[in-house]
Amino acid sequence: QSALTQPPSASGSPGQSVTISCTGTSSDVGGYNFVSWYQQHPGKAPKLVIFDVTKRPSGVPDRFSGSKSGNTASLTVSGLQADDEADYYCTSYAGSNNFVFGTGTKVTVL
Amino acid sequence: QVQLVQSGAEVKKPGASVKVSCKASGYSFTGYYIHWVRQAPGQGLEWMGWINPNSGGTTYTQKFQGRVTMTRDTSISTAYMELSRLTSDDTAVYSCARGGTTGYYFDYWGQGSLVTVSS
Repeated sequence: QSALTQPPSASGSPGQSVTISCTGTSSDVGGYNFVSWYQQHPGKAPKLVIFDVTKRPSGVPDRFSGSKSGNTASLTVSGLQADDEADYYCTSYAGSNNFVFGTGTKVTVL
Repeated sequence: QVQLVQSGAEVKKPGASVKVSCKASGYSFTGYYIHWVRQAPGQGLEWMGWINPNSGGTTYTQKFQGRVTMTRDTSISTAYMELSRLTSDDTAVYSCARGGTTGYYFDYWGQGSLVTVSS
């Protein structure tokens, strides 16, 4: 399985929005509504911010939202804050009990 | 509260094996899958496989088949990941993560265990 494709970097000023894409195939992202997103600060464990494409775990602010169109999923972070500066990874169920991660995106708050 | 506590850092020689543990607390261990994910230094996340703690059933990603073994001990709510025939490319932080309620995401993570492979 090949990793899902994410842009290496994205940036925005405080208060602005940033959207990160996650492109796969019809065998993973396009085939299932099981895309999740993780935020990882340096040296820390990943944190779940979106699951099942659009759902937010309790405690995650509604500034984080997810969507999907065809083989591409997206994560939007609105009202950017300094603490949103982190690496973000998507993952998708890929059938046959397998999962695949995205390549990761470094978000910088300018 | 849900916690996954992993074993400490390890240094191994090429060709050796390593076994990382992941002790769960704060929930019913047999009710949720445990996934294993690794991250090489400066690299992205890589899914390795999962174990059903209730049945012991496993799925490994093709890359690691034949080299990885995931097991569990329900009496002590602990999952294990053993990787054999280590090379320097296996130097990474290995993390366990709990599968979410629907099974298709990872809602709680361990703190990670650094495995360094060096001669």
